[in-house]
Amino acid sequence: GDSVTQMEGPVTLSEEAFLTINCTYTATGYPSLFWYVQYPGEGLQLLLKATKADDKGSNKGFEATYRKETTSFHLEKGSVQVSDSAVYFCALTGVENTDKLIFGTGTRLQVFP
Amino acid sequence: EAQVTQNPRYLITVTGKKLTVTCSQNMNHEYMSWYRQDPGLGLRQIYYSMNVEVTDKGDVPEGYKVSRKEKRNFPLILESPSPNQTSLYFCASLSGTSGGSSYNEQFFGPGTRLTVL
Repeated sequence: GDSVTQMEGPVTLSEEAFLTINCTYTATGYPSLFWYVQYPGEGLQLLLKATKADDKGSNKGFEATYRKETTSFHLEKGSVQVSDSAVYFCALTGVENTDKLIFGTGTRLQVFP
Repeated sequence: EAQVTQNPRYLITVTGKKLTVTCSQNMNHEYMSWYRQDPGLGLRQIYYSMNVEVTDKGDVPEGYKVSRKEKRNFPLILESPSPNQTSLYFCASLSGTSGGSSYNEQFFGPGTRLTVL
């Protein structure tokens, strides 16, 4: 079945460092891909999304490109801030059921001043 | 403000004592679902509902019940909770028409942390 694999955390960075969180997926067909962020004590918020190959999703300085050839959707940010500390989830919606989100296990990011 | 609300936010209970976690959304969404979040497993779907009186099992439905009598509410019921249901639970609702567009965004509630002793 469809699945998402994320790099394990925690990822620990200093402020202004470059961030990459790897995400790869297995799916039948061409799913839509998402990154959700969970700040401490809160629910998940959509960070960015891409719905077809080569699409680039971007928001708040974060970017991810839908790479069909490598089945990847890596999250990047050029300069992280302390306020970016959160848990990041990569997810996809199935081709047959476009309403159901399939999540990766989440990656905790800790940014220190 | 558009939002999904859950109550309670925290709950400690004992094995076998029936409980209900409420979920309500004010966005007139048709599709709602429940997820549980466990360390190392991410979020897994428990149940979903595509509209009033229409519910179906997700990936981990055992031990849970749901109902959808009104569009805005989607309570999660644990008839006889067990310690393996200790988890963080999220309710979500989906914008747009269910089953139609990959542009739909899921809106999540703040979560309910449940501990079953």
